[in-house]
Amino acid sequence: AQSVTQLDSQVPVFEEAPVELRCNYSSSVSVYLFWYVQYPNQGLQLLLKYLSGSTLVKGINGFEAEFNKSQTSFHLRKPSVHISDTAEYFCAVSAFYGNKLVFGAGTILRVKS
Amino acid sequence: DTGVSQDPRHKITKRGQNVTFRCDPISEHNRLYWYRQTLGQGPEFLTYFQNEAQLEKSRLLSDRFSAERPKGSFSTLEIQRTEQGDSAMYLCASSLTVEEPQHFGDGTRLSIL
Repeated sequence: AQSVTQLDSQVPVFEEAPVELRCNYSSSVSVYLFWYVQYPNQGLQLLLKYLSGSTLVKGINGFEAEFNKSQTSFHLRKPSVHISDTAEYFCAVSAFYGNKLVFGAGTILRVKS
Repeated sequence: DTGVSQDPRHKITKRGQNVTFRCDPISEHNRLYWYRQTLGQGPEFLTYFQNEAQLEKSRLLSDRFSAERPKGSFSTLEIQRTEQGDSAMYLCASSLTVEEPQHFGDGTRLSIL
């Protein structure tokens, strides 16, 4: 079985500042890793994914994440945030050839002007 | 690519009533998933279809819940004798292969009076 821990429930940050949203996972098998973003009353939109290869993954809207197998982490970063980045962010894993995503509880990113 | 479509977007019903939700996946996607998201939590897996076959069900899917995908295209999720605890956002997702990310619809928000 897999589990995901998002270490911060809320992260406040000023506009144009850098941000890191933390994600740790647990799994007895190899996994794929994902970050999704959810705006109010909407579904989830994929930001980026790690399947294999380079551990630094670049996604949409200037976000990137780094897979660290030894620390079982997949932290999301952005060097300079905008007001429009205010949303809830979910880290998720799925087992290789698995049929479901396992999500963390989410981190609300609040960007202040 | 018109995206995953869910109907209705909102459903308000009295406790004890039956409700049915519909999901139309991206047309070429043969994998379809249902998730439930309660306030302040990440989505939780309910069930998975490959074409018309329901291949995995979560323990969250009690006997009051039934999902179908009769022709391998759209899917329905029915909840019988609704309870207060069923209030949640019900999300549908689809994907082409196990390695490809799941694409989510905007969800159906169910409120039980």
